[in-house]
Amino acid sequence: KAGVTQTPRYLIKTRGQQVTLSCSPISGHRSVSWYQQTPGQGLQFLFEYFSETQRNKGNFPGRFSGRQFSNSRSEMNVSTLELGDSALYLCASTVRGTDGSYEQYFGPGTRLTVT
Amino acid sequence: DQQVKQNSPSLSVQEGRISILNCDYTNSMFDYFLWYKKYPAEGPTFLISISSIKDKNEDGRFTVFLNKSAKHLSLHIVPSQPGDSAVYFCAASAWGNQFYFGTGTSLTVIP
Repeated sequence: KAGVTQTPRYLIKTRGQQVTLSCSPISGHRSVSWYQQTPGQGLQFLFEYFSETQRNKGNFPGRFSGRQFSNSRSEMNVSTLELGDSALYLCASTVRGTDGSYEQYFGPGTRLTVT
Repeated sequence: DQQVKQNSPSLSVQEGRISILNCDYTNSMFDYFLWYKKYPAEGPTFLISISSIKDKNEDGRFTVFLNKSAKHLSLHIVPSQPGDSAVYFCAASAWGNQFYFGTGTSLTVIP
């Protein structure tokens, strides 16, 4: 099985621009979550999509939005970029096992730099 | 408010010895806990998990211990190997709805 893929891997944008990041989960996984990782902050949860519906949302401003398509691929959009949005954005696909366990697999991330 | 905390930003251990990474949480509703390993420029890799109905789970060199009364979990790596050098994150979830991550502990295993 192919793993979680994210595109692009690296991106440089200027303040005020917008950006769209893409994530393809593992085949058969319907849950896709997005995280922002910055130095010293760990992974901060952005939102989670399941079957094209946003199921959970973290404490990020409305400039951060996302969507999920019928094939489970997900996109994340950040509008009006700020310098503080520079971070590694990680996508994860999650599946629940029959024993109640959770398996969450991460993509390699998109490194966004805002100048 | 950080619901999952890793208070040690870094840890150094001699090869062959035990590495113990600690994690504390504040939300008593968390019922599932995971540990991840992360190398630079890569996404986190799942290592081991534990449900709140257990207090220990082993997988090879990795063992996770959960102390619910103290809201504390730890990851033991025995024996530690240089290839284990990475950043380790613990994460917690209530019913799998959202995973809360700690800030990570950077482990260095000295040959």
